[in-house]
Amino acid sequence: TQLLEQSPQFLSIQEGENLTVYCNSSSVFSSLQWYRQEPGEGPVLLVTVVTGGEVKKLKRLTFQFGDARKDSSLHITAAQPGDTGLYLCAGEEGGGSNYKLTFGKGTLLTVNP
Amino acid sequence: GAGVSQSPSNKVTEKGKDVELRCDPISGHTALYWYRQSLGQGLEFLIYFQGNSAPDKSGLPSDRFSAERTGGSVSTLTIQRTQQEDSAVYLCASSWGPFNEQFFGPGTRLTVL
Repeated sequence: TQLLEQSPQFLSIQEGENLTVYCNSSSVFSSLQWYRQEPGEGPVLLVTVVTGGEVKKLKRLTFQFGDARKDSSLHITAAQPGDTGLYLCAGEEGGGSNYKLTFGKGTLLTVNP
Repeated sequence: GAGVSQSPSNKVTEKGKDVELRCDPISGHTALYWYRQSLGQGLEFLIYFQGNSAPDKSGLPSDRFSAERTGGSVSTLTIQRTQQEDSAVYLCASSWGPFNEQFFGPGTRLTVL
């Protein structure tokens, strides 16, 4: 079973600060996805990274996939209260089980005004 | 609203009772997934349906859990003889196909007393 470790588990910061959350594994994933989940709702896909070393930017969010496709990071610049939520990473196992996502436990981010 | 819907949103039951959770996927989506999200845990894959193919039941935790998908649309997850450890949020997702973005419903919060 492939596992994804996310850190930190909890993060509370002030509006305007920068932050980075991490997603690590000892296994290789064919791709990795980042989701944000708000209370009472399902996760919403933010980005999918596929190529080792790939960097994707989504406004103030920067996502990076490690060269070996075992880890990823999410960096938020100038965090806003609207960024508050649970950030989940999920890896696709690849091969014939591409549909099966392995999720990390998430990073609960609170951005205080 | 054309999103994934789930019912009920909350379910409280007594240990030993059976429960049925319903998922209405996005119209036209051929793939449907069930996940379980326990407190402090990531999403755990339960079962996957794709068109008329046999479902992948490899994530079901015990034989008390079963799911069906009628007419390639609505799905029902059934938990028999519920236990306290079954308490969790059960999330359903659908996608156009196995390699496409999964859209999640808001989940059903199950509490077993």
